[in-house]
Amino acid sequence: GDSVTQMEGPVTLSEEAFLTINCTYTATGYPSLFWYVQYPGEGLQLLLKATKADDKGSNKGFEATYRKETTSFHLEKGSVQVSDSAVYFCALSDRGGANSKLTFGKGITLSVRP
Amino acid sequence: KAGVTQTPRYLIKTRGQQVTLSCSPISGHRSVSWYQQTPGQGLQFLFEYFSETQRNKGNFPGRFSGRQFSNSRSEMNVSTLELGDSALYLCASSTGPEYNEQFFGPGTRLTVL
Repeated sequence: GDSVTQMEGPVTLSEEAFLTINCTYTATGYPSLFWYVQYPGEGLQLLLKATKADDKGSNKGFEATYRKETTSFHLEKGSVQVSDSAVYFCALSDRGGANSKLTFGKGITLSVRP
Repeated sequence: KAGVTQTPRYLIKTRGQQVTLSCSPISGHRSVSWYQQTPGQGLQFLFEYFSETQRNKGNFPGRFSGRQFSNSRSEMNVSTLELGDSALYLCASSTGPEYNEQFFGPGTRLTVL
């Protein structure tokens, strides 16, 4: 079945540091890929998405590129802020309308210190 | 535009009881999905409803059930609660069968004692 693997956490960075969070996936079809963020005490918010190979999703300074050849969707940000401290989830969804179920990775906690 | 709302936000039950959680999707959204989030298992898909029909179901026991009403509001029910059912239950809505962005509610925190 479909699966998503995220790098182990937690991750602690200083403000303005470069961020990379690795995500790889296994899927039988051609999934859409997502990064969600969860702030303490809240639900999930969609951070960015990509629906086909070589697409780049971007939002709030975060970027991720859909790499079909390496089945990866790594999240990057050039300069993190304290406000970026949260839990980040990589997820996939089968396309085609028959199945909108999201399969999530385990999530990784990011802490950014001033 | 109001977001996805879930009620109640917090719930404490004892083993053997049953519980009903409610989710109101974003206005105009007709698809509602439910997820369970626990520290050990992470985020797991429970089921999805569209136009009052269950379209997809995750790998959970029959104690977990749900339904959707004609106004797209959804409820999920857990019967004969077990300690392991303690979790954050998240509801997400989207516009319809073709997958689009799913919008999540804040969740209901269920504690089973």
